[in-house]
Amino acid sequence: GAVVSQHPSRVICKSGTSVKIECRSLDFQATTMFWYRQFPKQSLMLMATSNEGSKATYEQGVEKDKFLINHASLTLSTLTVTSAHPEDSSFYICSARDSHNQPQHFGDGTRLSIL
Amino acid sequence: AQTVTQSQPEMSVQEAETVTLSCTYDTSENNYYLFWYKQPPSRQMILVIRQEAYKQQNATENRFSVNFQKAAKSFSLKISDSQLGDTAMYFCAFAQGGSEKLVFGKGTKLTVNP
Repeated sequence: GAVVSQHPSRVICKSGTSVKIECRSLDFQATTMFWYRQFPKQSLMLMATSNEGSKATYEQGVEKDKFLINHASLTLSTLTVTSAHPEDSSFYICSARDSHNQPQHFGDGTRLSIL
Repeated sequence: AQTVTQSQPEMSVQEAETVTLSCTYDTSENNYYLFWYKQPPSRQMILVIRQEAYKQQNATENRFSVNFQKAAKSFSLKISDSQLGDTAMYFCAFAQGGSEKLVFGKGTKLTVNP
């Protein structure tokens, strides 16, 4: 149980393109989803917390207009990197949990490369 | 703010041996949770073990166990009978009770040698 699917796993695109990443909870309803960014050989940094039906809460230093998050249902959250540039290249990972104080379950991540 | 420190950037162990990964944390709260996550080369984050701070008994999951020392704010992970598939980055993480955020340490790269 507690499977989180993230798609796509790999994206390569030109600078200026907007990229959408999907995060789905397959066998549970996720009231809260999280988006992380991981640079090479570094730890995960929380970007934002996404709650179903409400606006996402962004961490300090994360541009909300750059990283658009939509959590329209209890099983799907999307992260859109708008007008992506090479400095946005990174590994993005989502996680989800079904209720309060339950552990987060992670997706497989998306490697984004902006040329 | 809570912080998580993993002082061992890299470790190695022989197959079938036991290895302990260190983690310390800093918090003024009493209600919190601690986790160990494994990230193999595939990059997927896998929950290894979870400990509630209010529980005195150390959590155990098969070959994985923790030594939770609340007063010392220490949360080490012991891997017994190490297997080649245990090779991965291991991240210690903290979550305050009632909060939704995970705070991760910088990770320890574990290599299990045949």
